[in-house]
Amino acid sequence: ILNVEQSPQSLHVQEGDSTNFTCSFPSSNFYALHWYRWETAKSPEALFVMTLNGDEKKKGRISATLNTKEGYSYLYIKGSQPEDSATYLCASRNYGGSQGNLIFGKGTKLSVKP
Amino acid sequence: SAVISQKPSRDICQRGTSLTIQCQVDSQVTMMFWYRQQPGQSLTLIATANQGSEATYESGFVIDKFPISRPNLTFSTLTVSNMSPEDSSIYLCSVDGGRNIQYFGAGTRLSVL
Repeated sequence: ILNVEQSPQSLHVQEGDSTNFTCSFPSSNFYALHWYRWETAKSPEALFVMTLNGDEKKKGRISATLNTKEGYSYLYIKGSQPEDSATYLCASRNYGGSQGNLIFGKGTKLSVKP
Repeated sequence: SAVISQKPSRDICQRGTSLTIQCQVDSQVTMMFWYRQQPGQSLTLIATANQGSEATYESGFVIDKFPISRPNLTFSTLTVSNMSPEDSSIYLCSVDGGRNIQYFGAGTRLSVL
């Protein structure tokens, strides 16, 4: 059984603060690590997909890193804005799993106050 | 990319009834996936729906409780049968959009009284 763990569970920051979240995942048979952003009543939006150890990806003020040897990924948001308020999900996919079988963490709920 | 329309967006149902959730994709896809998120829990894969064959269910999910239809390459339904309050969840469908990215519908928020 695979467990993907995310921390913190929730986070409240002020506009302009920078923040980061952690995702830990089993490193054996690792294939890919996904980050999604999920706003209430909307579709989860894919942010990053990372496969290689040491991968770093950036999209605007959001960036992510991947360490497959120790099984963790960090998501960073620089200068948080109220529109960044959402739940951030990470999900791991392993070799041998079915194509759709992403193993999700419970998410980090971010609230950014103006 | 893929655009997925899912309905209903939410519903409140009585114990013992059934609800069918529909998922429409704007392009033809081989596989569609159904997930569930119970309150405070992770998104969990229920089953994979292939066109022209029986759906493949993950451990802990059975066809009698969650029958799935996949009549063509752009459409699928998931039925939650004989509902109980434990079935109160968000249900999402998704498709593989290529390059390892999965696209999701906006979800169906189900409350069972």
